[in-house]
Amino acid sequence: DSGVTQTPKHLITATGQRVTLRCSPRSGDLSVYWYQQSLDQGLQFLIQYYNGEERAKGNILERFSAQQFPDLHSELNLSSLELGDSALYFCASSVSQGANSPLHFGNGTRLTVT
Amino acid sequence: QQPVQSPQAVILREGEDAVINCSSSKALYSVHWYRQKHGEAPVFLMILLKGGEQKGHEKISASFNEKKQQSSLYLTASQLSYSGTYFCGTGNNAGNMLTFGGGTRLMVKP
Repeated sequence: DSGVTQTPKHLITATGQRVTLRCSPRSGDLSVYWYQQSLDQGLQFLIQYYNGEERAKGNILERFSAQQFPDLHSELNLSSLELGDSALYFCASSVSQGANSPLHFGNGTRLTVT
Repeated sequence: QQPVQSPQAVILREGEDAVINCSSSKALYSVHWYRQKHGEAPVFLMILLKGGEQKGHEKISASFNEKKQQSSLYLTASQLSYSGTYFCGTGNNAGNMLTFGGGTRLMVKP
């Protein structure tokens, strides 16, 4: 158990809808990363937060947004959903801001857009 | 920019060795290695922070050549439990935004 909690585990929704994915980092970790993994593909970096502030952005679509709250949990909002957004969304946390400490991944949220 | 991993897939018999390579067109400041089993989350294996550094984890070790901007993961005397997809992740020059390679699928057969 990595200590990172993601909810929900599964989400099935229709095109055009909006969903929110939630992540609670490991106790003591200040950094939260979001990754998208399409079927049997690699891990695409979306966005990183550190102690409530956005630190880095990857190829995140404008329809997607995220934030990290004062209690350090993070939410990823996906709107105007398309079939191609179906994927496994991972949240990972680490203790530091930089890429010099291990990432601990949650079990992911599997999003299916129909 | 995404690091490039090779090979894309490898099949081994138990007890055989394998090497997975990870290279970048940009300067590497850190290299991470993770293993993901099918349907599960990636699990951290090791991190290399300095050029030329080598780290080990049981029979899995890795090297980091800063000059060549590449890292290699060495799996010796492979076990069935080593099967999975291996990802390298590289840190950018700001020290954040860990970008992963496309992964190497490793299958160990009895």
